[in-house]
Amino acid sequence: ETGVTQTPRHLVMGMTNKKSLKCEQHLGHNAMYWYKQSAKKPLELMFVYNFKEQTENNSVPSRFSPECPNSSHLFLHLHTLQPEDSALYLCASSQENRPTSYEQYFGPGTRLTVT
Amino acid sequence: QKEVEQNSGPLSVPEGAIASLNCTYSDRGSQSFFWYRQYSGKSPELIMSIYSNGDKEDGRFTAQLNKASQYVSLLIRDSQPSDSATYLCAVADFGNEKLTFGTGTRLTIIP
Repeated sequence: ETGVTQTPRHLVMGMTNKKSLKCEQHLGHNAMYWYKQSAKKPLELMFVYNFKEQTENNSVPSRFSPECPNSSHLFLHLHTLQPEDSALYLCASSQENRPTSYEQYFGPGTRLTVT
Repeated sequence: QKEVEQNSGPLSVPEGAIASLNCTYSDRGSQSFFWYRQYSGKSPELIMSIYSNGDKEDGRFTAQLNKASQYVSLLIRDSQPSDSATYLCAVADFGNEKLTFGTGTRLTIIP
């Protein structure tokens, strides 16, 4: 595997379900991000992890719960979601402590539909 | 509230012509600027980054930055149908890993 991978690629879940999104980066980066992309809206930053520590929680509802067990893996745990949470969820990674430290590389995304 | 503004388009450009995409940003503290290309149904792909005033060229792509005017642009020379995509502008403050994205400009190259 190369780059940033995400599973599953597509997910349909009911509002009472619990599911998790997984992201893995194979780039040796030390920062990982979750974004939400909805139609007609800019990419919304949800969470940032830098060296496994959460450095940003962008006022995200508690029904989204991130987990970063190490600098290569990132999870987004979902529970009791709402239909308006249907979107493309993107994971990204970057390497800090370099001049080009903010070049973020994205995974393919998980297309989430909440019914 | 930091803002990044882009014309949503669609911008239609004949094949072989120069496509010019523009972006303005509100935060004067922004230091890093990026252009991402996103094909329909796919994730954003980093194509250019620029950190200092002036032009930066990479193949058919040229990024232009003017911090005084808070303006960054992307020129695509010899446009190809494969360049048809949405182009996202993103900016970041110095020492801050957070990117602020614009809504993107949809570009269509007409054969």
